[in-house]
Amino acid sequence: AQSVTQLGSHVSVSEGALVLLRCNYSSSVPPYLFWYVQYPNQGLQLLLKYTSAATLVKGINGFEAEFKKSETSFHLTKPSAHMSDAAEYFCAVTQYNNNDMRFGAGTRLTVKP
Amino acid sequence: NAGVMQNPRHLVRRRGQEARLRCSPMKGHSHVYWYRQLPEEGLKFMVYLQKENIIDESGMPKERFSAEFPKEGPSILRIQQVVRGDSAAYFCASSRERGSNYGYTFGSGTRLTVV
Repeated sequence: AQSVTQLGSHVSVSEGALVLLRCNYSSSVPPYLFWYVQYPNQGLQLLLKYTSAATLVKGINGFEAEFKKSETSFHLTKPSAHMSDAAEYFCAVTQYNNNDMRFGAGTRLTVKP
Repeated sequence: NAGVMQNPRHLVRRRGQEARLRCSPMKGHSHVYWYRQLPEEGLKFMVYLQKENIIDESGMPKERFSAEFPKEGPSILRIQQVVRGDSAAYFCASSRERGSNYGYTFGSGTRLTVV
């Protein structure tokens, strides 16, 4: 069984501030972890993914995430928020050769000017 | 090079009608996945298909829902006798390889409204 929990359905930051979106996972075997971003009325775009290589993963638009096995976490960060980062962010987990990618409920990020 | 194409973008159906949602995967992708997103919820896996085969339909409701991916043409998600609870965004994703560890490419979704 596998699942993810995203802490905080809404996060609000000021432009230029640190962005931290939290994701904890549960998996009985080594997980593959993903962050996706969804802009209004659009599909999901892959931000980054962890597939058992480096624990610190860099993605597009300046985002990165760190896989911490001891904490079963895969939090998403960005040093300085931009207005264009306002969107919904989804954490997802799967296992090797598994057809079923499980998504969290999402975190809506608001960026204030 | 188009990504995953879904149509229509918006679909309105009256209760009891049928809804047909179409998905054309990315060029070179032969694996298709359908997900449903209910308001204020994450995406729920519905079904995984390859050409002419349903591989995993563990997330599909047992009644009224069906999916296909014919040898030619797009994948179709079909909902018969729609009810208000079917109102949701339906996303299709595709991948080149089997298994979701490579990550998926998603379409823009079809937003179904049942009135």
